[in-house]
Amino acid sequence: LAKTTQPISMDSYEGQEVNITCSHNNIATNDYITWYQQFPSQGPRFIIQGYKTKVTNEVASLFIPADRKSSTLSLPRVSLSDTAVYYCLVGVIYGQNFVFGPGTRLSVLP
Amino acid sequence: EAQVTQNPRYLITVTGKKLTVTCSQNMNHEYMSWYRQDPGLGLRQIYYSMNVEVTDKGDVPEGYKVSRKEKRNFPLILESPSPNQTSLYFCASSNSGSVYNEQFFGPGTRLTVL
Repeated sequence: LAKTTQPISMDSYEGQEVNITCSHNNIATNDYITWYQQFPSQGPRFIIQGYKTKVTNEVASLFIPADRKSSTLSLPRVSLSDTAVYYCLVGVIYGQNFVFGPGTRLSVLP
Repeated sequence: EAQVTQNPRYLITVTGKKLTVTCSQNMNHEYMSWYRQDPGLGLRQIYYSMNVEVTDKGDVPEGYKVSRKEKRNFPLILESPSPNQTSLYFCASSNSGSVYNEQFFGPGTRLTVL
């Protein structure tokens, strides 16, 4: 399973766009990139998943360059309720032994 | 409501006293797994199951057992708990037929072993 590297923490202010980048230099051809969000004392929640280029849903956008060695989760106009830990995972769609790294702790300030 | 449930939510026990944490999902998912979460270490996978009667070790299986006799249930068994198993435990499930690998997580079980 490809190892990922993310910033440990980030701060932002309400209304700003937040971009969290994940490095995965050893990503394999069949690997997808998935992001999860976790609030304190709750289980992680799926945010978005992609394979290449750009994916957008009602919550976030995911940008993946052509070499796929990194990806960027973009949260538009964050609010206080977006304060959470964000995890980047890389692996095949199903059946994999999943590894969640330490994640990125995002703090949104008023 | 589609969900993953875990019981108990909180448990304080003593070293060596066998315990079971139950996990159940009502989404007919084939894939289920257990994680533990410790400060500074993120979530680490303990065991996972691709389907009934099929289980495999994750990153940190030592001291744990699982079984998958029914599709909806995936209990986590600690035969002889030790203090280093004090942690927050999450069960998760996902659908192999889904386009996305979206794992649905339970609410967590906070275990303290004295």
